[in-house]
Amino acid sequence: DGGITQSPKYLFRKEGQNVTLSCEQNLNHDAMYWYRQDPGQGLRLIYYSQIVNDFQKGDIAEGYSVSREKKESFPLTVTSAQKNPTAFYLCASRNTGLGSPLHFGNGTRLTVT
Amino acid sequence: SQQGEEDPQALSIQEGENATMNCSYKTSINNLQWYRQNSGRGLVHLILIRSNEREKHSGRLRVTLDTSKKSSSLLITASRAADTASYFCATDAVTNAGKSTFGDGTTLTVKP
Repeated sequence: DGGITQSPKYLFRKEGQNVTLSCEQNLNHDAMYWYRQDPGQGLRLIYYSQIVNDFQKGDIAEGYSVSREKKESFPLTVTSAQKNPTAFYLCASRNTGLGSPLHFGNGTRLTVT
Repeated sequence: SQQGEEDPQALSIQEGENATMNCSYKTSINNLQWYRQNSGRGLVHLILIRSNEREKHSGRLRVTLDTSKKSSSLLITASRAADTASYFCATDAVTNAGKSTFGDGTTLTVKP
């Protein structure tokens, strides 16, 4: 079955540690996205990539980093510089044609204490 | 800043009733999409409406778009308990079509 896999579903880290969230897709989509969702709120864009080896900052990129070395993979690193990292992180992908819908993974809930 | 804002924030109805939620946005768009999110899960795409369209239907869903008012509405007819979820609108702006911007969502509760 084609889809997007995010792992792990739950992640716990101590403050000051970097942590990397995994996102893999087998939909052959060129574009991939990372969103952050806080309780009761909408999605805010962290980073996105429309092609391999290229990515752009979204609205809240500070404290995060990404790489896009393969079409299928778009890992997100939450660094110790991110002041409030506890959140629900969602990865998505889509074709680059105008109006293509986003396909989402089931998210990773990160808790930093 | 968020492009879209949904209204109401929360909506509670009885099974069988219709549910209407609204979305407003700020800039010119190529299209607007509605998504659904069950608690603790990813979003699922429901329907897309392009900027040159005024109304679209898909099953029990009806979406309207008024570009002059920069607003859209999603109507779910004959609601079911399984429709309980959060609903989000997302816009693809003309100036940056690769980037979808989401509103804060409407949480719908359908009571059996």
